[in-house]
Amino acid sequence: GAGVSQTPSNKVTEKGKYVELRCDPISGHTALYWYRQSLGQGPEFLIYFQGTGAADDSGLPNDRFFAVRPEGSVSTLKIQRTERGDSAVYLCASSPTGTFTQETQYFGPGTRLLVL
Amino acid sequence: AQKVTQAQTEISVVEKEDVTLDCVYETRDTTYYLFWYKQPPSGELVFLIRRNSFDEQNEISGRYSWNFQKSTSSFNFTITASQVVDSAVYFCALSGGGGSEKLVFGKGTKLTVNP
Repeated sequence: GAGVSQTPSNKVTEKGKYVELRCDPISGHTALYWYRQSLGQGPEFLIYFQGTGAADDSGLPNDRFFAVRPEGSVSTLKIQRTERGDSAVYLCASSPTGTFTQETQYFGPGTRLLVL
Repeated sequence: AQKVTQAQTEISVVEKEDVTLDCVYETRDTTYYLFWYKQPPSGELVFLIRRNSFDEQNEISGRYSWNFQKSTSSFNFTITASQVVDSAVYFCALSGGGGSEKLVFGKGTKLTVNP
């Protein structure tokens, strides 16, 4: 079946602009995760959804970052007033239930964000 | 706090050599899970293995094997008879208990297998 998909694959924006990054998880997966990967680093956790609700948003760096998952499927990561330091690859992952079992997370191809 | 250390930043080998990628972790959880992911040049993270803290048996899957030692907090990954297609960045990751579903990743080891 289809894996995790993310759009756009690349996004170039100017400092101060607003961007939205979309993630479509594996069909039927109720848990969805966002990570950010800077060049030469491992992915860093941002936020985790269980269904429609954010179960853990401890990784969001500041209030410019926000994510939603209104119907428990597709999720959108929103970044306001982008800064050059936001440039990174934003990765989305999903797992079947995400309920206290540390299930395997399956990753999408990522969105490469460049803030000029 | 949880932490994963991959001390080897880059490794270069010649095809058919065996290579071991090191991973050392820190956690206060008694129940935790360890993972290895492969990130080829295309960028997508590919799941390789998941191991829970109660299972210290080594695992072999084809040319890949994993050695989990709780006494040294290590979860090392060995590729036997490496191939050019094994060239990628490999990440070790840790997920704790207590309802924390997030993965904590190491910085990765870039493996280059030369023909």
